[in-house]
Amino acid sequence: NSKVIQTPRYLVKGQGQKAKMRCIPEKGHPVVFWYQQNKNNEFKFLINFQNQEVLQQIDMTEKRFSAECPSNSPCSLEIQSSEAGDSALYLCASRGDRDTQYFGPGTRLLVL
Amino acid sequence: GDKVKQSPSALSLQEGTNSALRCNFSIAATTVQWFLQNPRGSLMNLFYLVPGTKENGRLKSAFDSKESYSTLHIRDAQLEDSGTYFCAARPGGNYKPTFGKGTSLVVHP
Repeated sequence: NSKVIQTPRYLVKGQGQKAKMRCIPEKGHPVVFWYQQNKNNEFKFLINFQNQEVLQQIDMTEKRFSAECPSNSPCSLEIQSSEAGDSALYLCASRGDRDTQYFGPGTRLLVL
Repeated sequence: GDKVKQSPSALSLQEGTNSALRCNFSIAATTVQWFLQNPRGSLMNLFYLVPGTKENGRLKSAFDSKESYSTLHIRDAQLEDSGTYFCAARPGGNYKPTFGKGTSLVVHP
């Protein structure tokens, strides 16, 4: 159903460490979204890109995350200093012309 | 309050029965997507809707933008239908979609 690739599938970090995850969107999809899904199943939008440009991001992302979508390289999302509350499933989705989002399998982050 | 409310939050179905899930919106949604998330976390696309209805096998979905709701009907439920169903509504343009909190479905023999 989806060809979005996310790595790694699991990530374990200590508090204060950097945590980096990557996403390869479906070929030809210019828009990429990152979401954080917590243990209560709630989705929190983090940031989205159109090609290499940031379209929207929330305050938390701007302050604590580093994200980019360079051309010809995977998109990445990096927490600069991990906190226990960052433990969650991080989902990347890409969207093509048809407006439908396709999700990757996610990176499950555990911050000890 | 929640901008996208899903109901019920949990549902248990016997194999072979029918049911309906619902999303009510307090935002002016122009499109709706329905997803099924498996226990490992992978989200599978079920439907993308503008106002109207779509059908795919045992699943049928409707979106009424004037009344601000969408439904997902499951016919002849199977064990593999178990998982968490999410709807996501979008106002259009490049605005981000808003997700509901999901309906957890268990289909038992």
